[in-house]
Amino acid sequence: NAGVTQTPKFQVLKTGQSMTLQCAQDMNHNSMYWYRQDPGMGLRLIYYSASEGTTDKGEVPNGYNVSRLNKREFSLRLESAAPSQTSVYFCASRQGRKETQYFGPGTRLLVL
Amino acid sequence: RKEVEQDPGPFNVPEGATVAFNCTYSNSASQSFFWYRQDCRKEPKLLMSVYSSGNEDGRFTAQLNRASQYISLLIRDSKLSDSATYLCVVSLGPYSGAGSYQLTFGKGTKLSVIP
Repeated sequence: NAGVTQTPKFQVLKTGQSMTLQCAQDMNHNSMYWYRQDPGMGLRLIYYSASEGTTDKGEVPNGYNVSRLNKREFSLRLESAAPSQTSVYFCASRQGRKETQYFGPGTRLLVL
Repeated sequence: RKEVEQDPGPFNVPEGATVAFNCTYSNSASQSFFWYRQDCRKEPKLLMSVYSSGNEDGRFTAQLNRASQYISLLIRDSKLSDSATYLCVVSLGPYSGAGSYQLTFGKGTKLSVIP
């Protein structure tokens, strides 16, 4: 039982490049989330998926798209990366009426 | 006004000390409250939920004052392994419509326990 996994662990992009951050969970959770964490800012919600087939914007969705591929997988796409998107990205999942979210190990992204 | 405010620290305390962290939240509709712990360069993990009556988990005690919109975490007999950033987290709870279960995080308070 790996919990929440994320790939890649690290990535360096040039401005304007695109990439997809992958997240998968093996806990059969319905809800999944993408956050970014910046120094001095705390974690901010980018997008979430309450269940398979649904996605909704969070606090900071601009510049990102998401896909809930199936119950296990929730990907985050940067179509045209900008230096302001340099951050640590965390994926999380949650089950049912329980409020605890379980986080993946994060992806560290540097946009030059 | 920030939704969840915490003293960023750092708090540098000797082993065995008692340390307290405070947190205030702005949305009076908040229903659920938590402390998460985040080790350096790691993901956040739930430390404990916070209940209105206050609750304890070993050396950790959490308190909630809904009237003052204030949450606290007390760590007794600090260990080196307690060194981490402690995140205060609030939620509107499960019955808040489209925003159900969304967590709002404070920026965290960094604790360093010194030998």
